[in-house]
Amino acid sequence: AQSVTQPDIHITVSEGASLELRCNYSYGATPYLFWYVQSPGQGLQLLLKYFSGDTLVQGIKGFEAEFKRSQSSFNLRKPSVHWSDAAEYFCAVGSSGGGADGLTFGKGTHLIIQP
Amino acid sequence: GAVVSQHPSWVICKSGTSVKIECRSLDFQATTMFWYRQFPKQSLMLMATSNEGSKATYEQGVEKDKFLINHASLTLSTLTVTSAHPEDSSFYICSAPKTGRLNTEAFFGQGTRLTVV
Repeated sequence: AQSVTQPDIHITVSEGASLELRCNYSYGATPYLFWYVQSPGQGLQLLLKYFSGDTLVQGIKGFEAEFKRSQSSFNLRKPSVHWSDAAEYFCAVGSSGGGADGLTFGKGTHLIIQP
Repeated sequence: GAVVSQHPSWVICKSGTSVKIECRSLDFQATTMFWYRQFPKQSLMLMATSNEGSKATYEQGVEKDKFLINHASLTLSTLTVTSAHPEDSSFYICSAPKTGRLNTEAFFGQGTRLTVV
């Protein structure tokens, strides 16, 4: 069975500092990996996704993620966070590129931005 | 990007009543839609897959008689929480995959906050 682990429940970062959110997955085949952001009471917005090819993926809002097969990881990074980045971040894995079979989500990481 | 709309955004209902939540793909057709449930400060859990023209597929542990799903058309899926109880209070989110020229991407609705009192 596939699973996603986000080991950090909360992360606090100062505005302007760099950010890395961790994600590890367990999947039997080639994974399709996603990062979503959720603001309070809102739906999900896709930040970026990895299907194949270049293991460093660029997303929206200045985010990037690197797929490391040997470590079963897909960590999300941003060089300089803004106060508006405060939100809940979910890593997800699917069996197809668009989640056509539904997605398995991690438990999320709550990002807090300090002024 | 594509738009998936859920209605209502929030609803409060009394115990024992039923509540219907709609999920619409506004600018594309979706033969499949997915319903997720999210408890406070928890992750999203896939509840069921809604299939246009056929029965929904439920994940293990999800009561199909409790959560009725109808995929009435290629742009509309509904989730009805029957005989709602306070433990059904949750955030329900739908998603619909859209197949483009190069790949398929899942688009999510804005979610529905259900409170059962």
